[in-house]
Amino acid sequence: GQSLEQPSEVTAVEGAIVQINCTYQTSGFYGLSWYQQHDGGAPTFLSYNALDGLEETGRFSSFLSRSDSYGYLLLQELQMKDSASYFCAVNNNAGNMLTFGGGTRLMVKP
Amino acid sequence: NAGVTQTPKFQVLKTGQSMTLQCAQDMNHEYMSWYRQDPGMGLRLIHYSVGAGITDQGEVPNGYNVSRSTTEDFPLRLLSAAPSQTSVYFCASSQRTGPGYEQYFGPGTRLTVT
Repeated sequence: GQSLEQPSEVTAVEGAIVQINCTYQTSGFYGLSWYQQHDGGAPTFLSYNALDGLEETGRFSSFLSRSDSYGYLLLQELQMKDSASYFCAVNNNAGNMLTFGGGTRLMVKP
Repeated sequence: NAGVTQTPKFQVLKTGQSMTLQCAQDMNHEYMSWYRQDPGMGLRLIHYSVGAGITDQGEVPNGYNVSRSTTEDFPLRLLSAAPSQTSVYFCASSQRTGPGYEQYFGPGTRLTVT
């Protein structure tokens, strides 16, 4: 089966940097995705890593280490609007299925 | 483009009732899927489709049926609603099947079963 572990909650101040970790156990790993979800909203795609290393998209970066079954999402220059839940997810079953972690609730304080 | 649309937004059912949650996308996406999200938890895959006429089970398929007669539509049927099916249901689509393709989510249907 598949399992993903991420912290349930993280708090940071505006302007700071925060890292949200994700460890996974899965068979047939294809890649690690990250999604953002504001309260009452739908998830939106942030990033995808298939290979080891860092992918940068503006203030957000995502890292993957396949040998450690580990990844993280890095959010820089935090803004109040970044307060949301962040989910890591793995592709499996020939990439046809996406399994999500339980989510990390990020609270950004002034 | 409207993207992914879902109806209804809210629904209350009594135990044993059946209903269909509607999902449509206008992006000509190949892959469509249904997830449920319970309070404070991640999303769990119910069923998915890799193209018209092709569906498969996800992680939690029991109590749900799907069909995909057209590329655009992917309805989810609850056969006999149970309180355990109280949840928020999200439909999603992606351009192609396979890893790495961004999934576009609909706004969700909030279902309560009493």
